[in-house]
Amino acid sequence: KQEVTQIPAALSVPEGENLVLNCSFTDSAIYNLQWFRQDPGKGLTSLLLIQSSQREQTSGRLNASLDKSSGRSTLYIAASQPGDSATYLCANKGGSEKLVFGKGTKLTVNP
Amino acid sequence: NAGVMQNPRHLVRRRGQEARLRCSPMKGHSHVYWYRQLPEEGLKFMVYLQKENIIDESGMPKERFSAEFPKEGPSILRIQQVVRGDSAAYFCASSPLVLREGPIFGPGTRLTVL
Repeated sequence: KQEVTQIPAALSVPEGENLVLNCSFTDSAIYNLQWFRQDPGKGLTSLLLIQSSQREQTSGRLNASLDKSSGRSTLYIAASQPGDSATYLCANKGGSEKLVFGKGTKLTVNP
Repeated sequence: NAGVMQNPRHLVRRRGQEARLRCSPMKGHSHVYWYRQLPEEGLKFMVYLQKENIIDESGMPKERFSAEFPKEGPSILRIQQVVRGDSAAYFCASSPLVLREGPIFGPGTRLTVL
């Protein structure tokens, strides 16, 4: 059974700092891994999706990496801004069509 | 393209009542997924449907919960005789037949059971 763990559960940083969010999964037989952003009381916004054949994906100040052999993915946020404050969720897709989510990391970027 | 639409956005029910949550997938999407997010928890898969067919309901509670995606109209997640533990955010996502990218999520319905 696939399990996804995200650490830390919460992170508070000053504006401008570079930061890394971690995601680990127990079953390396994944199809893809996806990072989402969730604002309080809102839905999910997809940030980056990494196919199992890829090592990383980049979008603006965001970079996500995938290491299937170690069962890990990281989301790197450069030059963080207060507007980046949100909960970040990672989810992987295995052999079935369903996504398995971690509990998320709640990020606070202080001005 | 309006994206995935869910209504109502907020729903309040008393214990024992029924809750009906609706999801209209993106135009051109034929597959719908329902996920539940309990307070302080991650999203948990509930059910995966295509038009008139349940593909995978392995995450659905055995009693009181049902889902459908009729030929016409939105997908419906129905919760009968709600209890306080059903209070959660329920998210719908949709995808086309061939899922190369991730599904697109709706804004969610927040159910509160008094």
